[in-house]
Amino acid sequence: AQSVTQLDSQVPVFEEAPVELRCNYSSSVSVYLFWYVQYPNQGLQLLLKYLSGSTLVKGINGFEAEFNKSQTSFHLRKPSVHISDTAEYFCAGSDLSGNTPLVFGKGTRLSVIA
Amino acid sequence: DAGITQSPRYKITETGRQVTLMCHQTWSHSYMFWYRQDLGHGLRLIYYSAAADITDKGEVSDGYVVSRSKTENFPLTLESATRSQTSVYFCASAGGGSYEQYFGPGTRLTVT
Repeated sequence: AQSVTQLDSQVPVFEEAPVELRCNYSSSVSVYLFWYVQYPNQGLQLLLKYLSGSTLVKGINGFEAEFNKSQTSFHLRKPSVHISDTAEYFCAGSDLSGNTPLVFGKGTRLSVIA
Repeated sequence: DAGITQSPRYKITETGRQVTLMCHQTWSHSYMFWYRQDLGHGLRLIYYSAAADITDKGEVSDGYVVSRSKTENFPLTLESATRSQTSVYFCASAGGGSYEQYFGPGTRLTVT
């Protein structure tokens, strides 16, 4: 069964510094992988997704993620963060055995410090 | 307006009462989902539906009931609310084959 693990529950980072939010997945089959962002008191918004093809995926707001099959990872990166990036970030995955629902990690709270 | 909406946005109810949370989407997406979000647990699937009149249980379905008589609506009912069901509930929808889910703004439910 698919499972998704976010390795850090909280990540503090100074403004304009780079950040990496880590996500590992486990599955015996190919996967679709997603990163969502949740701003305070809002729903989840898709940042980026990996379905197939290039392993480097670019998303909105300057974020990107790299699918690494050998390490079963899908880490999210941004070269320079802004205060407005402070939010909760969720990694999620879905396998290809039909239209199964997403399995979410427990989230990483990114706090950008001025 | 196009999109996915949830109502009410906030609800306080008492233990033992029946509560229904509404979800409506305007994209004619075939798939709809209900999740609950609790601190330290991320989002956990309650129920999902692949089409009208087709529903399936998720990880935490006990105490919840769903129906889907129309493609655009997917109400979630707590038959007899308990304090452990205090949570933020999110509805989501997805078109067939895309796997990308679109989320509503959430309903914050407090059971006293």
